[in-house]
Amino acid sequence: DVHLVESGGGLAQPGGSLRLSCAASGFSITDNYMNWARQAPGKRPEWVSVLYSGGGASHAESVEGRFTSSRDTSKNTVYLQMDSLRVEDTAVYYCVQNSGWSGLDYWGQGILVTVSS
Amino acid sequence: EIVMTQTPLSSPVTLGQPASISCRSSHSLVHSNGNTYLSWLQQRPGLPPRVLIYHVSKRFSGVPDRFSGSGAGTDFTLKISRVEAEDVGLYYCMQATQFPYTFGQGTNLEIK
Repeated sequence: DVHLVESGGGLAQPGGSLRLSCAASGFSITDNYMNWARQAPGKRPEWVSVLYSGGGASHAESVEGRFTSSRDTSKNTVYLQMDSLRVEDTAVYYCVQNSGWSGLDYWGQGILVTVSS
Repeated sequence: EIVMTQTPLSSPVTLGQPASISCRSSHSLVHSNGNTYLSWLQQRPGLPPRVLIYHVSKRFSGVPDRFSGSGAGTDFTLKISRVEAEDVGLYYCMQATQFPYTFGQGTNLEIK
């Protein structure tokens, strides 16, 4: 079974940094596209980034140049490095696997990131 | 960016009765490979979204057959044949035909 566990969230100040981790089990992250999505309180989900199976990545315009996706294949873990955080980055962040069906097939439980002074 | 628009935003339904949600995209969702990457996701209170329907009309693993999807091009519909109490929550349409993937505003399904 696909299992995704996010960690690393919490409170950050505007302009600060956080690194989210997503530990995957039940599959290899090199076999699938891995995504990050987020959902601000009371809002619809928003796609943030994709890490392709070959290792390249693409990011939403709203985070381009501030967020970076990466992975450690030995740990079967993906990361989201978030720099220059803004108040509007406050959201629950989800790690999401693409198994080739909907594009965002299996979601982790999510981790809360709060950006506030 | 493809804009997804759902109607209605709120849907009060009687248990055992049908429900229907519509979704319209600003551009055709037909991919160059011929697939249409339109999905429906359910989000129960306090939980992450989960996929119900993908490729317009295919039920995801474990999804009850009271859920069905239809449509083509830019207009799509999710139908629940007989609403059960566990169906309460938010429903989103989502397109994955092109990046950035985008979602509808959500429809709140509630029991009358």
